[in-house]
Amino acid sequence: DAGVIQSPRHEVTEMGQEVTLRCKPISGHDYLFWYRQTMMRGLELLIYFNNNVPIDDSGMPEDRFSAKMPNASFSTLKIQPSEPRDSAVYFCASSLGGLAGGGQFFGPGTRLTVL
Amino acid sequence: RKEVEQDPGPFNVPEGATVAFNCTYSNSASQSFFWYRQDCRKEPKLLMSVYSSGNEDGRFTAQLNRASQYISLLIRDSKLSDSATYLCVVPRRRGSTLGRLYFGRGTQLTVWP
Repeated sequence: DAGVIQSPRHEVTEMGQEVTLRCKPISGHDYLFWYRQTMMRGLELLIYFNNNVPIDDSGMPEDRFSAKMPNASFSTLKIQPSEPRDSAVYFCASSLGGLAGGGQFFGPGTRLTVL
Repeated sequence: RKEVEQDPGPFNVPEGATVAFNCTYSNSASQSFFWYRQDCRKEPKLLMSVYSSGNEDGRFTAQLNRASQYISLLIRDSKLSDSATYLCVVPRRRGSTLGRLYFGRGTQLTVWP
């Protein structure tokens, strides 16, 4: 299995631009998670989906952030407009059956820099 | 109180040493726990799950103390390749389904020759 796939791996953009991060979970997994990691705040859960339905988006920092999962094999995280404080590594992870399946499998991450 | 708190480290130990990390959690209803490993500039990867009093996998032992609400990770006979950041993870359930996952800030380990 190819594992969780994320694109792009690196993104450099200017403040005010729209940024779209993409994720393909492991085939068959029914949970998908978006995380953000910074030195200051560590790893934070932004939102997660179960069977393509958003379950908990309380970690989404503000309205500039939105996430969608149109089908079982694809999800996007969009930031519009982007700000320098959004600079971080964004990870997508997937799992099967929630806790019953054990831990989560993370993608390689997207390193976002907003200038 | 934070959901998960870890020894901040860093821990610097020689090869062959035994090292232990602790993690405390605030939600007494948590039933299962995880240790993840994260190498520099890489994604976190599951190291061990802890569902009851503890779990052992080769040189790694995870122990759970529910009364005191802490989890520990013991690494015996440390290898250079064990150098990484170790993240303690505590889930919170929403009824019968998975809730949020709370990650500790991580404990950095460096094993030197």
